Amino acid sequence: SQKIEQNSEALNIQEGKTATLTCNYTNYSPAYLQWYRQDPGRGPVFLLLIRENEKEKRKERLKVTFDTTLKQSLFHITASQPADSATYLCALSISSGSARQLTFGSGTQLTVLP
Amino acid sequence: ETGVTQTPRHLVMGMTNKKSLKCEQHLGHNAMYWYKQSAKKPLELMFVYNFKEQTENNSVPSRFSPECPNSSHLFLHLHTLQPEDSALYLCASSQDAQGVGLGKNIQYFGAGTRLSVL
Repeated sequence: SQKIEQNSEALNIQEGKTATLTCNYTNYSPAYLQWYRQDPGRGPVFLLLIRENEKEKRKERLKVTFDTTLKQSLFHITASQPADSATYLCALSISSGSARQLTFGSGTQLTVLP
Repeated sequence: ETGVTQTPRHLVMGMTNKKSLKCEQHLGHNAMYWYKQSAKKPLELMFVYNFKEQTENNSVPSRFSPECPNSSHLFLHLHTLQPEDSALYLCASSQDAQGVGLGKNIQYFGAGTRLSVL
């Protein structure tokens, strides 16, 4: 069966450290993968997109890697700050019928401790 | 603001009520989506509309009825819901649900409607 797993429900790290979140998937062949941030009581907000033929993508303090052999994406936040505390969702873009769908993982709740 | 507005933000309804959720996007997008988000579960895609045509219905019970009168507005009509339907209902939009071009499938979400069914 198809499955998307994000490494843990919750991750606590100290301010200034690098947070690393994992997204693993099975039985999918996504064209690309997206990462979103969701704050309590809000909808997800798009952060980064990486294509299947890209190994790495960066945006400011964020870095995403995509290994289609391992079927895994890693999401890094360097020099983390308490304001980075949120739930982070990975989403695979797959074709379904006449539309592309995003299939989401259940998220990792990150807490950056001051 | 994301450019996607959902109303109401909170809704409490009995199982025999009929209510509607509204979503409006100001981004000039052609695709709109309804998702259900329950605690500790991934977002579940319910419906997809592309250029006002419904392209996906992910086995959603008929007590949920979507309506898309134009590319900027999306409704979710609710009737005879069950307590297990209590969840956060999120609307999203993207340039194009077929999303062939890079970025066309990036989705912009509203803040959601928190629904409680008593």
